[in-house]
This record gives sequence, C-alpha cells and structure tokens, in this order.
Amino acid sequence: EVQLVESGGGLVQPGRSLKLSCAASGFTFSNYGMHWIRQAPTKGLEWVASISPSGGSTYYRDSVKGRFTISRDNAKSTLYLQMDSLRSEDTATYYCATASGTYYYVMDAWGQGASVTVSS
Amino acid sequence: DIQMTQSPASLSASLGETVTIECLASEDIYSNLAWYQQKPGKSPQLLIYYANSLNDGVPSRFSGSGSGTQYSLKINSLQSEDVSIYFCQQNYDSPYTFGAGTKLELK
Repeated sequence: EVQLVESGGGLVQPGRSLKLSCAASGFTFSNYGMHWIRQAPTKGLEWVASISPSGGSTYYRDSVKGRFTISRDNAKSTLYLQMDSLRSEDTATYYCATASGTYYYVMDAWGQGASVTVSS
Repeated sequence: DIQMTQSPASLSASLGETVTIECLASEDIYSNLAWYQQKPGKSPQLLIYYANSLNDGVPSRFSGSGSGTQYSLKINSLQSEDVSIYFCQQNYDSPYTFGAGTKLELK
C-alpha cells in the first residue's frame, strides 16, 4: 500500500525558512515523479512544485520560484520542500503526492498533509 | 494561467439520486482533466483522469465526460460516503490549476 507521510510543518515568522519532508513507502519511489500541492485554510488546491524521478528536473509555480526548492533522496525514499523567505500567503496545508504513471501532472496518491502557518 | 470554473459551488441531494458537477476550462485542455474527492478532514483522492478514466478502486457509480473546455463528473445512486468536496484539475499546462470545488451534502 502506498504511504506518504509529511512532516516538518509548524508556525514560522514571515521571512524565515522551513523544510518539509515526505517519507514514501509501498512503491518504488525512484520510479515516480512527485508533487507538492497546498491548500490554504477553507480554500481550494494549488499546485506548488514537481520533481522528476531522478531529481534532475524541477518545476515551480511562479509565486514560489526562487523561494522554494523541491528535492528528493531516492536512497531514503524521501521528498523535500525547502521554503525560504516565507510570506503570510504561504500559510496552508502542504500535501505531497505521487505523479500518475501515465499522466505526469495527475496527482495519484496523496499524503495526509503538513500544516504551515506564517505569522508574526 | 488556465482558469477552471466549477459549478455549482455547493449542492444538496438525496440518497440514491444522480448528481452532476460541471467544470469549465478557460481554454481547450484536450481532455487533460482530473477529478478529486476530498472527504471532510482528509486529503484529496484521485477519482478520474483524462476526463473519463476511472482510477483503480473507484466505484463505478462515478463517471466523467467532456472534451475541449467543458467537463462533468456524474455520481449515480448517491451514497452517504459520497459527501465530500469535489475538485477538477487541468493537467494540460503549467501552472496545473484546480477548480474552487463543489461541496456535496445530503438533503
């Protein structure tokens, strides 16, 4: 069974940094692209970033480009999201998700989410 | 960015009823449309991809249709466990945008 477990969320001041982790199990992690998606309180879903199976290609939405870095450690089956220069509008629950094998930007399995609150 | 407009924003239906949720893209997305279900307090789950392909393990009462800019999700014979928020998402072009969601409740 595919399992994705996010960690590293919390309360952080504007301008500071936070790093999320997503521990994967139940599938061959190194074969799948991965995504981060966020959901602000009582709001809809927003794609944040994606990474190829090898980690050699990364993709970001414009509002996080230059501030967030997606990475992965295939030996540890773990996905990361380094978030720098955080803003209040980054407050959200952050989900990691696997890319569908056939349609890369379809989010197949999702984790339970990690809550990030950016506030002074 | 491609805008995804979902309707209705909320609906109330009775057990056994058939409901339909619509999703309109601001440009042609060539059937690159997925539907997700988010139950209260849970993370989203993939229901349908490529407009009409049912994900593994999803009950056959769920179906998707559409092409071009117009898509729909149909739930036949509504069950209590279908109470959720449903989101559409285009996976055609970056940024991969979602609809605002449709909240489905039981009447």
